[in-house]
Amino acid sequence: SQTIHQWPATLVQPVGSPLSLECTVEGTSNPNLYWYRQAAGRGLQLLFYSVGIGQISSEVPQNLSASRPQDRQFILSSKKLLLSDSGFYLCACRASYEQYFGPGTRLTVT
Amino acid sequence: DAKTTQPTSMDCAEGRAANLPCNHSTISGNEYVYWYRQIHSQGPQYIIHGLKNNETNEMASLIITEDRKSSTLILPHATLRDTAVYYCIVGGGSQGNLIFGKGTKLSVKP
Repeated sequence: SQTIHQWPATLVQPVGSPLSLECTVEGTSNPNLYWYRQAAGRGLQLLFYSVGIGQISSEVPQNLSASRPQDRQFILSSKKLLLSDSGFYLCACRASYEQYFGPGTRLTVT
Repeated sequence: DAKTTQPTSMDCAEGRAANLPCNHSTISGNEYVYWYRQIHSQGPQYIIHGLKNNETNEMASLIITEDRKSSTLILPHATLRDTAVYYCIVGGGSQGNLIFGKGTKLSVKP
């Protein structure tokens, strides 16, 4: 089965600072990869998905970006964080019908 | 992707069956029904999926109506650890994106 690693588990960053969250996947090849965000008390919002190396699709306009430098590596970045970027960030992987989620990173922008 | 409608919340007594309904009246012929759950502060967990036929696995059963416009997830013997938000999602096959709604908050009570 697939295993998804995300780090860090928690992060506190000041407004205007940069962000880099990394996700790596084990146990599969050429999966679809996803970044979701869940604001406090809200549902999951799909931010980005990737069907292959260097291929990124954005679902919502925002000051975040994503990259996929390797088959099983997915990175979420920002040049300048906003207060509204606070939330629970989840990386997910899908190679078949089932989608697996990582443990998430809880980001607080102060 | 087709949208789904689920009750906001439900209660269930421990040891009893939990029946979670979902309406997806605009589902198209090649779209699957997926169920995930999210326990507090964790990433969502895949439960089950189906296309037309009823499905059962070690976690739950999925009953899909003949017209495919609604479905029910059944947890046969709910435990306190089944307390979570349950998401019903309709979407394409293994390459499609999963768009999460607000789900049903299931509370299993002793």
